Amino acid sequence: DQQVKQNSPSLSVQEGRISILNCDYTNSMFDYFLWYKKYPAEGPTFLISISSIKDKNEDGRFTVFLNKSAKHLSLHIVPSQPGDSAVYFCAALSGGSNYKLTFGKGTLLTVNP
Amino acid sequence: DAMVIQNPRYQVTQFGKPVTLSCSQTLNHNVMYWYQQKSSQAPKLLFHYYDKDFNNEADTPDNFQSRRPNTSFCFLDIRSPGLGDAAMYLCATGTGVGETQYFGPGTRLLVL
Repeated sequence: DQQVKQNSPSLSVQEGRISILNCDYTNSMFDYFLWYKKYPAEGPTFLISISSIKDKNEDGRFTVFLNKSAKHLSLHIVPSQPGDSAVYFCAALSGGSNYKLTFGKGTLLTVNP
Repeated sequence: DAMVIQNPRYQVTQFGKPVTLSCSQTLNHNVMYWYQQKSSQAPKLLFHYYDKDFNNEADTPDNFQSRRPNTSFCFLDIRSPGLGDAAMYLCATGTGVGETQYFGPGTRLLVL
């Protein structure tokens, strides 16, 4: 039973355009959300996070939006660059277990020059 | 640079032959995690250590064991690998206070 769902296995965008990666969750106990980025042959690296008390967090080209009522979050990358091509994992943390992450399956983003 | 190191990066073993994967960290983090990731799947937490306290996930097979002899090192032992255990094994560390986990590059295990 997947509690964190990334329904798009892959996404392809043109360089300079916006990339939008989506994530849905089912567990209302989740109160902290993270995005990780993974290049081939490397481990996932932390990208950006958001607390459930916020609806937006921005860091440079990366913005994460959280819609608690819809149990949905999204990662926006603007402008997209070829170096952003990687697998992006959505992950969630619940307050009752404040150091165990639940991951989605990931979305492969390809940014074409 | 502070980091999480996994050795070996690739491991080939035979069906039923015990294998040990290694993880070390220079971050001095309290928590060390082992994840299993199969192709196109989410990383799945197997177990974690909070300092010396071992925490097994309910659905982790008994075939998988772990040891943490000190803060820096953590081992994953697979007692009798089956074909279904072929996967990427990711080690991660954290402070135990929510937020970020820091991952190693992973060990890809192949079972023949």
